[in-house]
Amino acid sequence: DAGVTQSPTHLIKTRGQHVTLRCSPISGHKSVSWYQQVLGQGPQFIFQYYEKEERGRGNFPDRFSARQFPNYSSELNVNALLLGDSALYLCASSPSPGTHNEQFFGPGTRLTVL
Amino acid sequence: QKEVEQNSGPLSVPEGAIASLNCTYSDRGSQSFFWYRQYSGKSPELIMSIYSNGDKEDGRFTAQLNKASQYVSLLIRDSQPSDSATYLCALGGGTGRRALTFGSGTRLQVQP
Repeated sequence: DAGVTQSPTHLIKTRGQHVTLRCSPISGHKSVSWYQQVLGQGPQFIFQYYEKEERGRGNFPDRFSARQFPNYSSELNVNALLLGDSALYLCASSPSPGTHNEQFFGPGTRLTVL
Repeated sequence: QKEVEQNSGPLSVPEGAIASLNCTYSDRGSQSFFWYRQYSGKSPELIMSIYSNGDKEDGRFTAQLNKASQYVSLLIRDSQPSDSATYLCALGGGTGRRALTFGSGTRLQVQP
């Protein structure tokens, strides 16, 4: 079975632009979580979605938004990009929400903001 | 105090030795514990999950959980150079937590 897929793998943007990142979960998984990982740190939680509804939001500004589609794929949008948004953006898939479930990460999208 | 504390390392062990990675946490309500391995430039890969006090073994890996002392550890037996990576400890459950909370990771170097 295919794992979690993310696109694009790499992205270069300039300050002020917006970006859309995409994720498809493991087949049968209905919950998607987004994390941001900067160099030298562990992943930081951004959003969690389940059945198209937001189930949790981390401590990120309103420039960050996300949504989940009927096929359980998800998009993360970031507006008005800042240099500090440069990071590896990770999508994690699990069968259902709740942190008791194992979460499986996709390969990530590396975003560079110039 | 950070929610999840890990020694950043690097932890250097010779090939064939046992590598011991430790993680302490502050939230006593944490209920699920995970170890991820992350190679440089790659995404985290789940290698172990543990939910109850005691040991859980999977191949060369053993996870140990002690909720009373609020620590979880990962032992890697017969360490190989291919085990060289950053190991992330993550917690689930706990007060108001909607997602996993990660430590900053411990970098392991296995010397041939």
